[in-house]
Amino acid sequence: EAQVTQNPRYLITVTGKKLTVTCSQNMNHEYMSWYRQDPGLGLRQIYYSMNVEVTDKGDVPEGYKVSRKEKRNFPLILESPSPNQTSLYFCASSPGQASRHEQYFGPGTRLTVT
Amino acid sequence: QKEVEQDPGPLSVPEGAIVSLNCTYSNSAFQYFMWYRQYSRKGPELLMYTYSSGNKEDGRFTAQVDKSSKYISLFIRDSQPSDSATYLCAMNYGQNFVFGPGTRLSVLP
Repeated sequence: EAQVTQNPRYLITVTGKKLTVTCSQNMNHEYMSWYRQDPGLGLRQIYYSMNVEVTDKGDVPEGYKVSRKEKRNFPLILESPSPNQTSLYFCASSPGQASRHEQYFGPGTRLTVT
Repeated sequence: QKEVEQDPGPLSVPEGAIVSLNCTYSNSAFQYFMWYRQYSRKGPELLMYTYSSGNKEDGRFTAQVDKSSKYISLFIRDSQPSDSATYLCAMNYGQNFVFGPGTRLSVLP
């Protein structure tokens, strides 16, 4: 089954404790993105990657890191999480740059930072 | 002014009704216009996308884009209880994606 998977689905952590949210897709997509979803604000792009080893900042990159060492994986790293990063996070993938608007989303990771 | 405005609802309609969902936007650079459906505790699912102005139909769903008015719509015909979800509009130009906050729709049997 073609899909985007994220792990963990739920995470409660404390301020300053480094964490990684994994994202993997099995559709051989080139383009991948991370978003956060907050009530009343809509989805906001954190980082995106047009291909392996090519990443760039989205609208809200502060406090986040990403890497793209393999085509299928695009982990999101919070090196020192803070309470304002409590949110619902989604990973998405698209076939390529020309079809970046055709995004397939993962199931989401609900993060709480205390 | 927000870049994309969308009425959050909730919108309740009886089964079989025609539903109209709308977004307005301010940036004339947007080229692609998308509609996503998001069920509770799930990720958004792409319903349709349109490039530039015009209409696009897919089954019971019709998307309309009016770039001159900076206004997009999604129509759902013969609405079903399974259409109950939050509907997100989204817009894209270059590497920029902007999503509306979503409209929560309930279709009552």
